[in-house]
Amino acid sequence: DVKVTQSSRYLVKRTGEKVFLECVQDMDHENMFWYRQDPGLGLRLIYFSYDVKMKEKGDIPEGYSVSREKKERFSLILESASTNQTSMYLCASSLMGAQRQPQHFGDGTRLSIL
Amino acid sequence: QQPVQSPQAVILREGEDAVINCSSSKALYSVHWYRQKHGEAPIFLMILLKGGEQKGHDKISASFNEKKQQSSLYLTASQLSYSGTYFCGTGPLSNFGNEKLTFGTGTRLTIIP
Repeated sequence: DVKVTQSSRYLVKRTGEKVFLECVQDMDHENMFWYRQDPGLGLRLIYFSYDVKMKEKGDIPEGYSVSREKKERFSLILESASTNQTSMYLCASSLMGAQRQPQHFGDGTRLSIL
Repeated sequence: QQPVQSPQAVILREGEDAVINCSSSKALYSVHWYRQKHGEAPIFLMILLKGGEQKGHDKISASFNEKKQQSSLYLTASQLSYSGTYFCGTGPLSNFGNEKLTFGTGTRLTIIP
């Protein structure tokens, strides 16, 4: 079974802090994704990566950056956290050809910015 | 632009049938369906590709009408385990090599005994 592991289930940070969310997958998937999930808004794509050191903006990239130095690891960075970034963050991975391949999700990180 | 899902929420008794719709303003190459239970990760259900195919496993099936740019998920003889929020994710025809999906806002399904 594909395993997508997010480093923290719950995280509390302060406004202005630099925050790192980590995601690791164990199935050698080319694609990795970061989504934000808010009530009534569904899943919104922040960034995705289709290869090491390659990234593309999703629908809501403002205030975020990402890093993919190794194939199995994809990090989401909040450069200067703000209260409107309080949310559930979901990481996912898939094989190349994402339109034909299922995405496998982690359990999520519930981030609170105070 | 996110695909529109309807209904937003539905409550059924065990054994009843449900239909969840997903409509896009763009021409589609693919539609994915996922289910998420409270506090858990979304779980993949099925993918439908351009060609208007219908798919199913167990008592859950789906159709894809590419002309109407919409997909429907059918749950028959619903079981308590079907409760959760259902999301569709759409892949555009214009960039069918693109790796990105756009997800809808979800349909909350509650099955009561």
